[in-house]
Amino acid sequence: GQQLNQSPQSMFIQEGEDVSMNCTSSSIFNTWLWYKQDPGEGPVLLIALYKAGELTSNGRLTAQFGITRKDSFLNISASIPSDVGIYFCAQSWGSNYKLTFGKGTLLTVNP
Amino acid sequence: DSGVTQTPKHLITATGQRVTLRCSPRSGDLSVYWYQQSLDQGLQFLIQYYNGEERAKGNILERFSAQQFPDLHSELNLSSLELGDSALYFCASSSPGSREETQYFGPGTRLLVL
Repeated sequence: GQQLNQSPQSMFIQEGEDVSMNCTSSSIFNTWLWYKQDPGEGPVLLIALYKAGELTSNGRLTAQFGITRKDSFLNISASIPSDVGIYFCAQSWGSNYKLTFGKGTLLTVNP
Repeated sequence: DSGVTQTPKHLITATGQRVTLRCSPRSGDLSVYWYQQSLDQGLQFLIQYYNGEERAKGNILERFSAQQFPDLHSELNLSSLELGDSALYFCASSSPGSREETQYFGPGTRLLVL
């Protein structure tokens, strides 16, 4: 089956720094989704991308759907302590829309 | 708040037992998806229902089953529980139309099997 490679696995940054993480897949998909999960909570949808080349922002977050349709990145600008959490990329495939998730990027922000 | 509700929040039970997890989707959403999250496997799709009908199955064990009721809430039944079934179980919902892959997750049920 398809696999999503998400990197880095973890990041330790200082408050105010910018952050970038990415996902690559072995197959072509139609949708990239980025979620954030706080400890003990459910994933929260941050950004959804539906078209190759699409660049979408949500506040300090920006994500892009790669032209090859096999990759996506998520950038966070001017990080703040509440950005701490695990960020997941996800893709849907097939007509039933089930999601395949990456392993996640654990972000730690030092105030 | 995603609008998806799940109960209970926590569940502690013993091996061999059976439990039922409940999910209410967002208002207007017809699809419900169940996912399992564990440390070793990550977030894994289990099963999807659409308007009461099973639509897709993932890596769901035969000991697990689900259903979606006429009011669109869904239940995930886990039976003959084993230690390895301890995990977070999430449901998600999406609305009908062209963006059904955009799923909103509930807060999850944390299951601990002792």
